Amino acid sequence: AQKVTQAQTEISVVEKEDVTLDCVYETRDTTYYLFWYKQPPSGELVFLIRRNSFDEQNEISGRYSWNFQKSTSSFNFTITASQVVDSAVYFCALSEVTGGYNKLIFGAGTRLAVHP
Amino acid sequence: DGGITQSPKYLFRKEGQNVTLSCEQNLNHDAMYWYRQDPGQGLRLIYYSQIVNDFQKGDIAEGYSVSREKKESFPLTVTSAQKNPTAFYLCATPKPGTVTGELFFGEGSRLTVL
Repeated sequence: AQKVTQAQTEISVVEKEDVTLDCVYETRDTTYYLFWYKQPPSGELVFLIRRNSFDEQNEISGRYSWNFQKSTSSFNFTITASQVVDSAVYFCALSEVTGGYNKLIFGAGTRLAVHP
Repeated sequence: DGGITQSPKYLFRKEGQNVTLSCEQNLNHDAMYWYRQDPGQGLRLIYYSQIVNDFQKGDIAEGYSVSREKKESFPLTVTSAQKNPTAFYLCATPKPGTVTGELFFGEGSRLTVL
């Protein structure tokens, strides 16, 4: 069965620290997509990144970077020089194609608190 | 601005009452979804609709009902049959043309049963 595990329930850091959010997934599909979403206090989830299973290149976007390793079934997310505005719940998700519909399997989320 | 609007933001209900959550989008997207979020849990799919006048049950559809009479609207009714309705409800629509998974979300509706 498809599964996404975010073992870190809550992380607390001080501003300017680097922080890594872990994501481990399980799937039998050879083609799949992985995602990260951010949920700020306002409630709506905001898409951050999508990575397909054939592209293991790491990606960097400003202070954000993602490390995809198929060998360990992990898709970790690092925030460099964290800021208070990074405080949110972050969700990792895995896509599953079922009945012609692309369904997302979400992890339980990691709550990140960045303190000044 | 284009986006998804959910209302109400907060809702209180007495046990045994049905309640309807509104979701409206002006993105002209065909597909719309409803998710439920509980503390410490990921989002779980309640219902989804790929096109007007069609919808399918997700993983936790029991105690919920939906309709899709208009492209821009996908209301969710939480019925009295839902055993534990207190939760945060999120409406979403996928970005057209993408292979999978990039979703736009509303700001959610928090339902509390008293």
